Amino acid sequence: AQKVTQAQTEISVVEKEDVTLDCVYETRDTTYYLFWYKQPPSGELVFLIRRNSFDEQNEISGRYSWNFQKSTSSFNFTITASQVVDSAVYFCALSEDRDDKIIFGKGTRLHILP
Amino acid sequence: NAGVTQTPKFQVLKTGQSMTLQCAQDMNHEYMSWYRQDPGMGLRLIHYSVGAGITDQGEVPNGYNVSRSTTEDFPLRLLSAAPSQTSVYFCASSYSRTRNSPLHFGNGTRLTVT
Repeated sequence: AQKVTQAQTEISVVEKEDVTLDCVYETRDTTYYLFWYKQPPSGELVFLIRRNSFDEQNEISGRYSWNFQKSTSSFNFTITASQVVDSAVYFCALSEDRDDKIIFGKGTRLHILP
Repeated sequence: NAGVTQTPKFQVLKTGQSMTLQCAQDMNHEYMSWYRQDPGMGLRLIHYSVGAGITDQGEVPNGYNVSRSTTEDFPLRLLSAAPSQTSVYFCASSYSRTRNSPLHFGNGTRLTVT
């Protein structure tokens, strides 16, 4: 069965520092999909990015970047020049092509200190 | 465009009571699912549906029932509430059963069982 591990339970950094959130996944499928979601203090869940297993190209969107490495089964998320508004819980998720379940990691709570 | 609507927002139940958490989406999404969020446990999949008339169990299905009589609605039933079911419940939907589709989440239902 698929599994997602977010080993960092909680991270605190000072504003403007860079921070990387780790995500390690396990799957037996050759085709799978990885996601990151953000849950700000207001509680809603917001989709950030999706990556297919056959596309290892890293992606950058403003201050956000994602590093997908199949060799280490990781899909890490980096925030550059963090801001207080980045404070949230961030979830990594995995779905396999042969299954309809979308499984989430336990999340990383990120505190950006002013 | 309402998206995914969950009702109620808050609910308090006594042990043994039953209730239904409502979830409706107006985006004509095929896929719908229910998650529960508990501190330190992340989001855990309860049940999911890939279309009207089709439901399946997720990671933590015990104590919950679902049905999908229409594309729009996916209610979650607690037949006999237990304190262990105290949690925040999120309903989510996505465009198709392909695993490439991101989830759209409702705003959650906070349930307390005393």
